[in-house]
Amino acid sequence: SAVISQKPSRDICQRGTSLTIQCQVDSQVTMMFWYRQQPGQSLTLIATANQGSEATYESGFVIDKFPISRPNLTFSTLTVSNMSPEDSSIYLCSVELDTGGNEQFFGPGTRLTVL
Amino acid sequence: SQELEQSPQSLIVQEGKNLTINCTSSKTLYGLYWYKQKYGEGLIFLMMLQKGGEEKSHEKITAKLDEKKQQSSLHITASQPSHAGIYLCGADANNDMRFGAGTRLTVKP
Repeated sequence: SAVISQKPSRDICQRGTSLTIQCQVDSQVTMMFWYRQQPGQSLTLIATANQGSEATYESGFVIDKFPISRPNLTFSTLTVSNMSPEDSSIYLCSVELDTGGNEQFFGPGTRLTVL
Repeated sequence: SQELEQSPQSLIVQEGKNLTINCTSSKTLYGLYWYKQKYGEGLIFLMMLQKGGEEKSHEKITAKLDEKKQQSSLHITASQPSHAGIYLCGADANNDMRFGAGTRLTVKP
């Protein structure tokens, strides 16, 4: 299994500002993902964080709005830029272990409220 | 906290066969999500069930929610190799998403 921590656990931000969320995992993993879960909606994949290269974004998500860094195999950041109330959501990172089990482990999430 | 138990843990079926995956909750289900995961990819949302007795279909995949039994079932008709992957159920309790352990499906051509 993997232990994943996220910072901050929650935040309240003003419209127009940006917030960077950190995800730290206790072991090296190849695959790291960022998800968003808006109130009353399903978990939605934002992007795959690639180590050493640009993240791969899903349809509807762009790098300018959600820049992602992945400097090494245990750490990634997601920035929510120029926030609006519609960005209020829970943001989760997850990892897939390299052991071939195909199981994903999720971080505890970051609850973001934009006023 | 809410726990989700999926069965079976893994399933190997011949192409063309039907199959069912179950997800049972330790608490009342107010909403249940089904996801599919392929190796090296993120979770793909399949469908969401909110009301008891609700049934939804997506191509050859049908899911039902039985609130009384605190259970949801996912049924695949005439399985194909493209259906292979891990299927996860998830429940939302106060915006805290819980997942089952997943069911690994292999479809043999």
